[in-house]
Amino acid sequence: ETGVTQTPRHLVMGMTNKKSLKCEQHLGHNAMYWYKQSAKKPLELMFVYNFKEQTENNSVPSRFSPECPNSSHLFLHLHTLQPEDSALYLCASSQAQGATNEKLFFGSGTQLSVL
Amino acid sequence: QQQVKQSPQSLIVQKGGISIINCAYENTAFDYFPWYQQFPGKGPALLIAIRPDVSEKKEGRFTISFNKSAKQFSLHIMDSQPGDSATYFCAAMVVGAGSYQLTFGKGTKLSVIP
Repeated sequence: ETGVTQTPRHLVMGMTNKKSLKCEQHLGHNAMYWYKQSAKKPLELMFVYNFKEQTENNSVPSRFSPECPNSSHLFLHLHTLQPEDSALYLCASSQAQGATNEKLFFGSGTQLSVL
Repeated sequence: QQQVKQSPQSLIVQKGGISIINCAYENTAFDYFPWYQQFPGKGPALLIAIRPDVSEKKEGRFTISFNKSAKQFSLHIMDSQPGDSATYFCAAMVVGAGSYQLTFGKGTKLSVIP
């Protein structure tokens, strides 16, 4: 157990649905991240929050909407997704963005299927 | 210039053998090179990392070799075991650039057969 918990583990949704992914970290970290993992592609950084402030948005479509109410919780709100958005969505945390300790701790991910 | 190219895509090694995974990068500003290990159904976990001021780092059976002039680095797994079967990702980043962005390779699926 890495100290980063993601729910749900699996999610199947239609293109018109609205759903949310949840991430919680119990490590006292101040930075949290959303990554997308697709087969045979590098992990793609989507969003970064540092001390609850969004610091990175890597040209992610607006149908993905992140929310970070505090340093321990991170959400990814999904609406009107496309089938190509089907992937494993990974949450990660680190001590702080740009800190000398660069170790990322990943959750187990949410496997998303968009029908 | 942000790419990290990883090879091979998959690797099958006999138990007790040496597994070697290679990565190459283009951005000479990268100064931190970690390797992550991912088991099925789990997120990636940091395995070992190196900075460019050393040419090699060893932790147990895992060794990173780093060639700064060639802009290449590799992971060697000595005495490979079935429990090492996983997907391995190399990555690179610029530390302290005000942005924590790891650039990952596409991954190598390692299978160690008994």
